[in-house]
Amino acid sequence: GAVVSQHPSWVICKSGTSVKIECRSLDFQATTMFWYRQFPKQSLMLMATSNEGSKATYEQGVEKDKFLINHASLTLSTLTVTSAHPEDSSFYICSADRGANVLTFGAGSRLTVL
Amino acid sequence: LAKTTQPISMDSYEGQEVNITCSHNNIATNDYITWYQQFPSQGPRFIIQGYKTKVTNEVASLFIPADRKSSTLSLPRVSLSDTAVYYCLVGGGSGNTGKLIFGQGTTLQVKP
Repeated sequence: GAVVSQHPSWVICKSGTSVKIECRSLDFQATTMFWYRQFPKQSLMLMATSNEGSKATYEQGVEKDKFLINHASLTLSTLTVTSAHPEDSSFYICSADRGANVLTFGAGSRLTVL
Repeated sequence: LAKTTQPISMDSYEGQEVNITCSHNNIATNDYITWYQQFPSQGPRFIIQGYKTKVTNEVASLFIPADRKSSTLSLPRVSLSDTAVYYCLVGGGSGNTGKLIFGQGTTLQVKP
């Protein structure tokens, strides 16, 4: 139980285009999901908290207009990287709060911007 | 949110017991201590969680002293497949359920 599916697992796009990453909780409902990014050999950095039915809460230094988060249902949150540039290339990971203070993480999405 | 401090790296050999200690001096009363494991290019995976004393599951044990300012993850008889990054996270209490800040983690290298 408690599976989080993330799609796509990897994506390559041209500079200036937008990319959407989906995060789904498959067997539980998640009112709160979290988005992280991770650069090579570094730890996960929390980007934002996604709240079902309301606006996301972004961490300091994360551009909300650059990284659009939508949490329209109890099982789906999406992260859209708008006008992507090479410096946005990273590993993006989502997680969902399954309760009991435990997070379930997706497998991650590798974004490469050319 | 409480900050955590772990050793950056550790080496071990197959079959040995590995203990990774994490310091979290500013842990709040309602915070839980949770350990995750991450392999390259994968999302972190839950290992174990505790609040106080000792917790044991099928893969690890977690030791938490009375003052809860540190915790030790114990992996019995590690194998090569246990080579990964291990993160200690503290949180979940006081309305911060789920919002966890990752520290640097401990890179465990298991050698044959």
